[in-house]
Amino acid sequence: KQEVTQIPAALSVPEGENLVLNCSFTDSAIYNLQWFRQDPGKGLTSLLLIQSSQREQTSGRLNASLDKSSGRSTLYIAASQPGDSATYLCAALAGGTSYGKLTFGQGTILTVHP
Amino acid sequence: NAGVTQTPKFRILKIGQSMTLQCTQDMNHNYMYWYRQDPGMGLKLIYYSVGAGITDKGEVPNGYNVSRSTTEDFPLRLELAAPSQTSVYFCASSYLLGKDLTGELFFGEGSRLTVL
Repeated sequence: KQEVTQIPAALSVPEGENLVLNCSFTDSAIYNLQWFRQDPGKGLTSLLLIQSSQREQTSGRLNASLDKSSGRSTLYIAASQPGDSATYLCAALAGGTSYGKLTFGQGTILTVHP
Repeated sequence: NAGVTQTPKFRILKIGQSMTLQCTQDMNHNYMYWYRQDPGMGLKLIYYSVGAGITDKGEVPNGYNVSRSTTEDFPLRLELAAPSQTSVYFCASSYLLGKDLTGELFFGEGSRLTVL
């Protein structure tokens, strides 16, 4: 059974800092790994998707990396802004015999204060 | 494009009542999912479907039923609602077929259900 863990559970930083959110998964037979953002009371917005054959993806100030062998992904946010405050969730999409099953971590609550 | 549409957005049920959460997508996606999210928690998979006529259980299927008679629709049925089913429910879809597709997931806006 795939288990996805996110560390830290919550993070508070001053504006302008670079920060790293961590995601680990127990089963390396994944199809892809996705990072999402969720604002309070809202749905999920896709940020980055890394295929199992890729090592990283970048979008603006966001960079996500994937190391399947160690079961880890990181989301790097450069020059954080108060508008980045949200919950960040990672999700591993299973390959192999569980193909298509998506497992989420519990999320990291990020607060960026001015 | 409408994407993934869920209805209703809010609902209050009494214990023992039944209801159906509707989900429809217009992207011709083969995979569809139902998740629930409890306060301060991540998303837990209830059921998913790999295509019309095929469904499978996720982590927390008890108390729920699903059907997938068409590619577009994936309704979630709650029978005999219980307070433990108070949650926010998310429907999602993606297109997965072989290794050449990204499998990006698209979410609906959620349905907030309260059972009293």
